[in-house]
Amino acid sequence: SAVISQKPSRDICQRGTSLTIQCQVDSQVTMMFWYRQQPGQSLTLIATANQGSEATYESGFVIDKFPISRPNLTFSTLTVSNMSPEDSSIYLCSVVPRTGATDTQYFGPGTRLTVL
Amino acid sequence: EDQVTQSPEALRLQEGESSSLNCSYTVSGLRGLFWYRQDPGKGPEFLFTLYSAGEEKEKERLKATLTKKESFLHITAPKPEDSATYLCAVQASTGGFKTIFGAGTRLFVKA
Repeated sequence: SAVISQKPSRDICQRGTSLTIQCQVDSQVTMMFWYRQQPGQSLTLIATANQGSEATYESGFVIDKFPISRPNLTFSTLTVSNMSPEDSSIYLCSVVPRTGATDTQYFGPGTRLTVL
Repeated sequence: EDQVTQSPEALRLQEGESSSLNCSYTVSGLRGLFWYRQDPGKGPEFLFTLYSAGEEKEKERLKATLTKKESFLHITAPKPEDSATYLCAVQASTGGFKTIFGAGTRLFVKA
């Protein structure tokens, strides 16, 4: 399976600021996704990061709030904009590899965000 | 609407006490059902993929089974290190790679 890293691993931010989270994979992947996991909750898909084109957002998530980039097959960023305390969550990157288990998502370690 | 329901929400076991976790799902054509393990403060760790009713997969003390409406994760003689949240998820055959997750079962195994 792919080795996935996220930066930062955690951060504490002030209300109204923005934070960009990076996801780096050690091999080329077909699909990359961003999830949110609020305290005590399960995973909610934010968007699919499309390489070279605009991300595909799920209902309830918009590009102005969560802009996403994916410049190549191994890297993506998620920005949480104009943050409020309700954005405090764990943000997770997941990928689908190009070889091997090509129908399975593997997850990064997550970024724990606290907004004050 | 595609949906995944896991039960129980939490399960406390003594070391060596076998049990099962349940995952009920509703999906418009199942592409795959997935089990993950998640430790506190970490991302989910992939365990199994099941594709069709009757399929079973095993890994150490864990065995996953699948029917047309449910999946079970059987834990045989659990150890304290098996304590974690176990997540079930499904992909619909018509939904691309969109994956619907259940809320999880928090397992506590006491020595």
